[in-house]
Amino acid sequence: DTEVTQTPKHLVMGMTNKKSLKCEQHMGHRAMYWYKQKAKKPPELMFVYSYEKLSINESVPSRFSPECPNSSLLNLHLHALQPEDSALYLCASSQVPANTGELFFGEGSRLTVL
Amino acid sequence: GIQVEQSPPDLILQEGANSTLRCNFSDSVNNLQWFHQNPWGQLINLFYIPSGTKQNGRLSATTVATERYSLLYISSSQTTDSGVYFCAVRSADGLTFGKGTHLIIQP
Repeated sequence: DTEVTQTPKHLVMGMTNKKSLKCEQHMGHRAMYWYKQKAKKPPELMFVYSYEKLSINESVPSRFSPECPNSSLLNLHLHALQPEDSALYLCASSQVPANTGELFFGEGSRLTVL
Repeated sequence: GIQVEQSPPDLILQEGANSTLRCNFSDSVNNLQWFHQNPWGQLINLFYIPSGTKQNGRLSATTVATERYSLLYISSSQTTDSGVYFCAVRSADGLTFGKGTHLIIQP
């Protein structure tokens, strides 16, 4: 069983909706990540948080807004998305410093934008 | 940035067969991970292997960092082994994934 938990597993939203994806880990990791994965492609990095501070933003559009309320939680707020934003969104965590330790992924949230 | 190439891109085998998946990378790396993505999308950690050889049941992996490649061996394949196998390397560029090997095990 994965120790990184993501909710919801599936989400369908309209282009005018506001929704959030949630991620929780209890491994004591202080680096957390959001990845986006389109069909038949590898995951692409969106954001990295290290010690609850945003350390990497891979030029992601502002309609995606990350938040790290504490060391165990990571949210991704979604607003005014486009159909091309439909994808699998994966949360991950690792020891710090970020980008060195073993990465553990959640099961993903599959997002469909109508 | 660092380049990660996986081969073969697609592989179809009968149940019980053995297979070798390869990952080549273009520069020095801090570490390397192998993942299995199941049909439901979950990325499962197989190995964290910056160098050397590790074994876990029917799976084993070898990384030769000086020659910039890693191999994943799957023996006695089962239908549940189907899915996409990703190699991902950690470098100064962050975590870079290969494009994956899509494995289908037929009963």
